[in-house]
Amino acid sequence: GAGVSQSPSNKVTEKGKDVELRCDPISGHTALYWYRQSLGQGLEFLIYFQGNSAPDKSGLPSDRFSAERTGGSVSTLTIQRTQQEDSAVYLCASSLDRGQGYTFGSGTRLTVV
Amino acid sequence: AQSVTQPDIHITVSEGASLELRCNYSYGATPYLFWYVQSPGQGLQLLLKYFSGDTLVQGIKGFEAEFKRSQSSFNLRKPSVHWSDAAEYFCAVGATDSWGKLQFGAGTQVVVTP
Repeated sequence: GAGVSQSPSNKVTEKGKDVELRCDPISGHTALYWYRQSLGQGLEFLIYFQGNSAPDKSGLPSDRFSAERTGGSVSTLTIQRTQQEDSAVYLCASSLDRGQGYTFGSGTRLTVV
Repeated sequence: AQSVTQPDIHITVSEGASLELRCNYSYGATPYLFWYVQSPGQGLQLLLKYFSGDTLVQGIKGFEAEFKRSQSSFNLRKPSVHWSDAAEYFCAVGATDSWGKLQFGAGTQVVVTP
């Protein structure tokens, strides 16, 4: 597609439920990144994919967080047993070349109640 | 470890006045440097980037930034701001030798007054 697409744009979930966030990167972009943006926390790196592999998953906060990428394209970020502190905007970005910077999606705003 | 510092959390500027946003980084090698802008409720948009070469880089929306290696700085400037420039601005640094993550600064919120 022309841009990075994320769905849903907004998600409200009850504490303890699992959620899946989806990212469709720009076609042909081999690198894909997930970040989290919380009030007062800035942008927090979660995980990076090169193709379907994740060379750096050091930012995942706990084992409740996981992500996968299939076909070198779509990525899903899954949060199990959501907690209120998981409330944030989850941003996905993709890149064709490491020096080109990222193109970000508009994000998924997750609210855990 | 690499780090990015944006000393100004909040800046207020009059429409038509000049704007400068500061960014300092700490990195062991020459990094890639970026400025992004985030308007309310929107994702981040790339304003400009520095890889090598000319230390003064031009970006979109009339912004420019200057890389000063001796000061480890990459400040963003605009000669005359418009009301639509009100947004949050993020400086970011990345490694030239890997595909890895970008390190983002905490952001500077810019308010434009009439």
